[in-house]
Amino acid sequence: GQNIDQPTEMTATEGAIVQINCTYQTSGFNGLFWYQQHAGEAPTFLSYNVLDGLEEKGRFSSFLSRSKGYSYLLLKELQMKDSASYLCAVRDSTTDSWGKLQFGAGTQVVVTP
Amino acid sequence: EPEVTQTPSHQVTQMGQEVILRCVPISNHLYFYWYRQILGQKVEFLVSFYNNEISEKSEIFDDQFSVERPDGSNFTLKIRSTKLEDSAMYFCASSPGPYNEQFFGPGTRLTVL
Repeated sequence: GQNIDQPTEMTATEGAIVQINCTYQTSGFNGLFWYQQHAGEAPTFLSYNVLDGLEEKGRFSSFLSRSKGYSYLLLKELQMKDSASYLCAVRDSTTDSWGKLQFGAGTQVVVTP
Repeated sequence: EPEVTQTPSHQVTQMGQEVILRCVPISNHLYFYWYRQILGQKVEFLVSFYNNEISEKSEIFDDQFSVERPDGSNFTLKIRSTKLEDSAMYFCASSPGPYNEQFFGPGTRLTVL
């Protein structure tokens, strides 16, 4: 199984940078995803890491270290609309679990003016 | 841009009744999933489906649950005899391949009274 930990809540100011950490323990690993979820809405895909290193996508970047079981999502130039829950999800690598995502509880980011 | 759609957006039912939640995955996607999210809790995997059969299911997906792809576009989740604890948001997701990102539908909020 998986154990995925991320902070419950973070607050930051508009225009600032916030880093959301995610640690995981898993018997198999085949990729880590970050999703954004606004209250009452569906998760929307932000980024995907399967190899170590940094993936950059506009204002969002995600980093992965497989040996440390660690990832972070970096949100730059924060905007008010970035206030949402950010979900870390790990995909298992066992033969029968090619697609199953295991989600963390989410980090609620609050952006203040 | 193609998207996953779900109907209804909100379903209210009495305990013990059967419900069918409907999803139309993105048209060229081959892998389908159901997840659920109880209010205030994390997103939980229910089942994955490929090539007209279940690939994997979680412990939540007991004999009361079933999935079906009745035609070339729809993907349904049936709960035979609903319980109070089935009240949750149910998300359908699809992906083109087993290792791609999953795209989530807007969800169906199920309320069991």
